[in-house]
Amino acid sequence: DQQVKQNSPSLSVQEGRISILNCDYTNSMFDYFLWYKKYPAEGPTFLISISSIKDKNEDGRFTVFLNKSAKHLSLHIVPSQPGDSAVYFCAASAWNRDDKIIFGKGTRLHILP
Amino acid sequence: DAGVIQSPRHEVTEMGQEVTLRCKPISGHNSLFWYRQTMMRGLELLIYFNNNVPIDDSGMPEDRFSAKMPNASFSTLKIQPSEPRDSAVYFCASTKDRGSEAFFGQGTRLTVV
Repeated sequence: DQQVKQNSPSLSVQEGRISILNCDYTNSMFDYFLWYKKYPAEGPTFLISISSIKDKNEDGRFTVFLNKSAKHLSLHIVPSQPGDSAVYFCAASAWNRDDKIIFGKGTRLHILP
Repeated sequence: DAGVIQSPRHEVTEMGQEVTLRCKPISGHNSLFWYRQTMMRGLELLIYFNNNVPIDDSGMPEDRFSAKMPNASFSTLKIQPSEPRDSAVYFCASTKDRGSEAFFGQGTRLTVV
């Protein structure tokens, strides 16, 4: 049973436009959420995170929004650049309880020239 | 710091053989995770250790899989006997504290023929 769901396997966005990647979770114990970026033949690298006490966190071109009532979070990338083409993983943790970090299946983002 | 180091990067083995994957976490990190990446399941958490002690191995698929962490700087994931369906990329990751992001190694691509 997937506790972290990324329902879009892939997404194509024009360079310069906004990319929006979505993620849903089922476990109400999750209190910390992370986004990772992965290039081929490399390990995932941390991108941005958000605590459940916030509803928005911004870092440069990347913003994560959290809607706790809907158990939904999204990653916005604006403007999208060619180097953003990668697989993006949403992850969640119940750090009030343990150290486990649960990942979704990932969304492959293609930035079109 | 060199980051999380995994070896080998690639492993090709015949069905029925024993396979051992190795991981050196970042020095000073207290938790270590083993993940498996497949197209169908994304990044699955197999097992994690805290201060060298296995905390949760509920993601280990079968008794053929075992993991050890004899000291703070080394962990192994063993598959015996290996099967073709074990073919995947296996990642090791470590975290410093609860509430901090996980750093991943570059992964081991395992092919069982």
